Amino acid sequence: LAKTTQPISMDSYEGQEVNITCSHNNIATNDYITWYQQFPSQGPRFIIQGYKTKVTNEVASLFIPADRKSSTLSLPRVSLSDTAVYYCLVGDQKAAGNKLTFGGGTRVLVKP
Amino acid sequence: EPEVTQTPSHQVTQMGQEVILRCVPISNHLYFYWYRQILGQKVEFLVSFYNNEISEKSEIFDDQFSVERPDGSNFTLKIRSTKLEDSAMYFCASGGTSGRYEQYFGPGTRLTVT
Repeated sequence: LAKTTQPISMDSYEGQEVNITCSHNNIATNDYITWYQQFPSQGPRFIIQGYKTKVTNEVASLFIPADRKSSTLSLPRVSLSDTAVYYCLVGDQKAAGNKLTFGGGTRVLVKP
Repeated sequence: EPEVTQTPSHQVTQMGQEVILRCVPISNHLYFYWYRQILGQKVEFLVSFYNNEISEKSEIFDDQFSVERPDGSNFTLKIRSTKLEDSAMYFCASGGTSGRYEQYFGPGTRLTVT
């Protein structure tokens, strides 16, 4: 299972773009990169998943360079409600039924 | 939008007692999971369940724990002879419909063992 490293915490302000980079140097060929968000006292929530290049949905964008050894989650124009812990997961999560292995995540605090 | 629901939201029990945590997964999902999160720590996988049997379990999921899908809608986690260190938030998740791979988590049950 590929080990992931991401910042422990980040502060931002409302309206700014937040970029969280995750390192996964030993990512395997079959591995996908998936990001989850967790608000206090709630379960994690799927945000986005990608394999290479760029993926965008209504919530975020995910940038993955050609070597796939890192990835960056981009949250455009954050609001106070985006304060949460963001987890980068690497593994064969494209397959249904596989467990999720969470790391420590990045605690993002959005200030007014 | 369909949601995973869990009951109770908070359970307090005495050491040595048995507890049953209940979950109603999203109705057309095929895979069901339990995770736990001790306060201030990572979310940890406990067990996955598919086709009425356990498909994978972690080292945490020993003989103290069991899971069941007693009917077509509920998915339960039973913890026998609870210990202080079982105090945690327990999350149920479901997933695995055709073409969808993300897991949907419930709001959790906070278990406090005294």
